[in-house]
Amino acid sequence: AQSVSQHNHHVILSEAASLELGCNYSYGGTVNLFWYVQYPGQHLQLLLKYFSGDPLVKGIKGFEAEFIKSKFSFNLRKPSVQWSDTAEYFCAVSISSGSARQLTFGSGTQLTVLP
Amino acid sequence: DVKVTQSSRYLVKRTGEKVFLECVQDMDHENMFWYRQDPGLGLRLIYFSYDVKMKEKGDIPEGYSVSREKKERFSLILESASTNQTSMYLCASSLATGPLSQPQHFGDGTRLSIL
Repeated sequence: AQSVSQHNHHVILSEAASLELGCNYSYGGTVNLFWYVQYPGQHLQLLLKYFSGDPLVKGIKGFEAEFIKSKFSFNLRKPSVQWSDTAEYFCAVSISSGSARQLTFGSGTQLTVLP
Repeated sequence: DVKVTQSSRYLVKRTGEKVFLECVQDMDHENMFWYRQDPGLGLRLIYFSYDVKMKEKGDIPEGYSVSREKKERFSLILESASTNQTSMYLCASSLATGPLSQPQHFGDGTRLSIL
C-alpha cells in the first residue's frame, strides 16, 4: 500500500520567512498529488494539485509545489509567509490502480507564523 | 461552490451506544468518504462509497459501518461506541471522472466524544 510521509510535524516561522514543507510518497506508478490546508476551526481546503504536465504547480494564496518524480517528493513552498498562513497542512496522494478514488494522507504539518 | 454538510459539529455519546453521523453533499458527486482525524496521525480513511448502495472498506473500518441509500447522503454508524472512537470525523465527496482521484471537498467535521 502507498504511504505518505511529512517529516516536519511542527514548523514555526516569522512573518516574511520562506517556507518549504516536505512530502514524500512510496509508490512507483502514476500518482495524483495534493496539498490541503486546514485553518483553525475550518474545513480542509484544497491548496493545489498535480495531475500531469509541468511539475511546478501553483496554487492559491501564493503557494506552489514541485513534483520531483525521481525523489518521490512533492514539497510545498511559499516565498514569504504571513501570519494568516498559520494552519495545518496535509499532503495526499492517489494512485492509478486498485481503489483509485482513495486518497492517502500524510500525518500533517502544523505551521505557526509569528507576527 | 460544493457544500458538504455534516449534521452535527459536536456530539457526546456514551460507551455502547449506537451512533449515527450524517453527511450530505449538494453537487451530485459519485464518491463519498468518511475519515477520522487524530493528532499526529493525519486523516485515516474509514469507508468510502462510489455509488448508491456501494461501499468499500478503507484503512480502519473496524467498529464502523456505513450506509448510502441516496446519492447525496452518506452515513457513518458506530455500532457500539467505544472510548477509542473519540475523534474528529470528516466527510468528503468528489467527482468520479478519469482513472485518478479528483479533489475531495470536505465538511466541517464532527467532533465526537465517547464517555
